[in-house]
Amino acid sequence: AQSVTQLDSQVPVFEEAPVELRCNYSSSVSVYLFWYVQYPNQGLQLLLKYLSGSTLVKGINGFEAEFNKSQTSFHLRKPSVHISDTAEYFCAVSDQGAQKLVFGQGTRLTINP
Amino acid sequence: NAGVTQTPKFQVLKTGQSMTLQCAQDMNHNSMYWYRQDPGMGLRLIYYSASEGTTDKGEVPDGYNVSRLKKQNFLLGLESAAPSQTSVYFCASSARTSGNPYEQYFGPGTRLTVT
Repeated sequence: AQSVTQLDSQVPVFEEAPVELRCNYSSSVSVYLFWYVQYPNQGLQLLLKYLSGSTLVKGINGFEAEFNKSQTSFHLRKPSVHISDTAEYFCAVSDQGAQKLVFGQGTRLTINP
Repeated sequence: NAGVTQTPKFQVLKTGQSMTLQCAQDMNHNSMYWYRQDPGMGLRLIYYSASEGTTDKGEVPDGYNVSRLKKQNFLLGLESAAPSQTSVYFCASSARTSGNPYEQYFGPGTRLTVT
C-alpha cells in the first residue's frame, strides 16, 4: 500500500518569493505522482503529474516538481508566487496500473503582500 | 461540457436522517469516486466504481452505500447520518486508457453538516 506525507501543513510566503512544498511517499512498487490544487470553496484540479521519463515535471501556472526516487520525494516548486496562488495543495500517489489515488494531508499556501 | 457536477451543494441533516448525494459526469468516463475531505486529513476514498454496475470499498466506507446504475451517475447514500459524517464530499471521475495512468476530474463538492 502507498502512503503520502506532506511535511508542512501551512506555508506562508511573501508575494514574488520562491516556494517549495514538500511531499514524500512510501511504496513498494513503481508509482505515478500527482499534485492537485484546491482554491477556496472549489474542487481539486490537476497541477502536474509524473508518469515516467524526465524527473523534472512542469505544470500549469508556473509550477514544477522534481521526482527523486532515491529520496522518495516529489517536491513542488515555484520561483515567484502571486496572491492568486493562495490555495491548498495536495500531493497524491498511485501504483502503476491501479485506479485509486492516495492523497497527502494537504499544505495550505498563504501569500502575503 | 459541464464536467463533474454534484447536488446538493450544501445540506444540513439531523442525526439519524438519511440522504443521497448525487454525482454526474458528461465525459464518458468509466471510473468514478467518492471522497470525503476533513481538515488535516486530506481526501479519503469512501467508495469507487471502475465501471457501470460495479463498486468497491475505499478507505472509509462504513456508514455509506453507493449505486452506479448508469455510467454517468454515481450516488452516495447515508442511511442513518451521524455527526462524524460532517464533512465535505467530493465526487471524481477518470478515464481508463490502456497502459496509461489517469487523471481524476473533481466536482465542486457537497458540504454536509450533521447535527
